[in-house]
Amino acid sequence: GDSVTQMEGPVTLSEEAFLTINCTYTATGYPSLFWYVQYPGEGLQLLLKATKADDKGSNKGFEATYRKETTSFHLEKGSVQVSDSAVYFCALGSNTGNQFYFGTGTSLTVIP
Amino acid sequence: EPEVTQTPSHQVTQMGQEVILRCVPISNHLYFYWYRQILGQKVEFLVSFYNNEISEKSEIFDDQFSVERPDGSNFTLKIRSTKLEDSAMYFCASTHFSGSSYNEQFFGPGTRLTVL
Repeated sequence: GDSVTQMEGPVTLSEEAFLTINCTYTATGYPSLFWYVQYPGEGLQLLLKATKADDKGSNKGFEATYRKETTSFHLEKGSVQVSDSAVYFCALGSNTGNQFYFGTGTSLTVIP
Repeated sequence: EPEVTQTPSHQVTQMGQEVILRCVPISNHLYFYWYRQILGQKVEFLVSFYNNEISEKSEIFDDQFSVERPDGSNFTLKIRSTKLEDSAMYFCASTHFSGSSYNEQFFGPGTRLTVL
């Protein structure tokens, strides 16, 4: 069945460091891929998405490219800020049903 | 900006008790969902709801669970007789369009359920 495997955390980085959070997926058909972010005390917010192979989603300096050949959707940011501290979830939207499949979430802490 | 809201933020209950978790989806949305996340594990799909009926459910969503849209705004998840393993964060989500994979689901902040 469809599933998402996400890099384990927690991740601690210094401000302005480069961030990569790995995400790989297993799916039948042609899923869409999403990154959600959860700030403390808040709900899951969409960070970016890509709906087909080779699409690049980007938002707030974050990027992820839908790579069908490696079944990956890694999240990257060139220079993290303290305000990026949050939990990041990779998710797959299956085109064979309504539900989303999530990874376990990766907690990121950015220190000044 | 419209958002999904959930109440309560934290619910503590005794094993065997019934709990009702409440959600107010975004007002013009048509599809509603419940997910849960047991501590340290993945966010798991429980159920989707459209046009006043369940459209899809996971094997987690057994007879102890039920969902309801009692009025035009609320969407509830009821657990009839809670078990210790029901302790988790429960997220409600909604989306406007068809349940296509292409469309963003909007999530609430979650209700943390603790079963003692």
